[in-house]
Amino acid sequence: GNSVTQMEGPVTLSEEAFLTINCTYTATGYPSLFWYVQYPGEGLQLLLKATKADDKGSNKGFEATYRKETTSFHLEKGSVQVSDSAVYFCALSGMIIQGAQKLVFGQGTRLTINP
Amino acid sequence: NAGVTQTPKFRILKIGQSMTLQCTQDMNHNYMYWYRQDPGMGLKLIYYSVGAGITDKGEVPNGYNVSRSTTEDFPLRLELAAPSQTSVYFCASSYSRDRDRGEKLFFGSGTQLSVL
Repeated sequence: GNSVTQMEGPVTLSEEAFLTINCTYTATGYPSLFWYVQYPGEGLQLLLKATKADDKGSNKGFEATYRKETTSFHLEKGSVQVSDSAVYFCALSGMIIQGAQKLVFGQGTRLTINP
Repeated sequence: NAGVTQTPKFRILKIGQSMTLQCTQDMNHNYMYWYRQDPGMGLKLIYYSVGAGITDKGEVPNGYNVSRSTTEDFPLRLELAAPSQTSVYFCASSYSRDRDRGEKLFFGSGTQLSVL
């Protein structure tokens, strides 16, 4: 079945450091790939997405490229800020039943940025 | 902008007790979902609904029940709480069948449940 594996956390960086959070997936067909972010005390929210191979999703300085050859969708940011501290979830679109999306999530990676 | 609202935020139950986790959304979304997240694990789908009156099981439905009498509300019921149901529960909704718009899920802030 479909699955998503993220790098183990927690990750702690200093402000302005370069960030990479690794995500690899196993899937049949051609799923869409997502990064969701959960800020403290809030629900998950969509950060970025890519719907086909070689697509790059980007938002708020974050980027991720859909790599079919390596089955990866790593999240990157060139210079992180304290406000980026959150839990990040990689996900892929699974089976669609009557239009309902059955997303498959990774385990989440907690990121802490120190000033 | 309320979005998806879950109550309560925290709850401690004793084994065998029952409770209902409330979820309501004000975006007129047809699709609603319940996920649970165990420590160090990804979110797993418990139940979902494609519209009022229509619900179906996800990956881990045992021990739970749902109903969808209105578009707005999608409560999750635990009948006989067990320690294995200790988890964080997230409710979510999505817009439509359209692939591009439908794949964006809107989440509530979660309910942290402990069963002791």
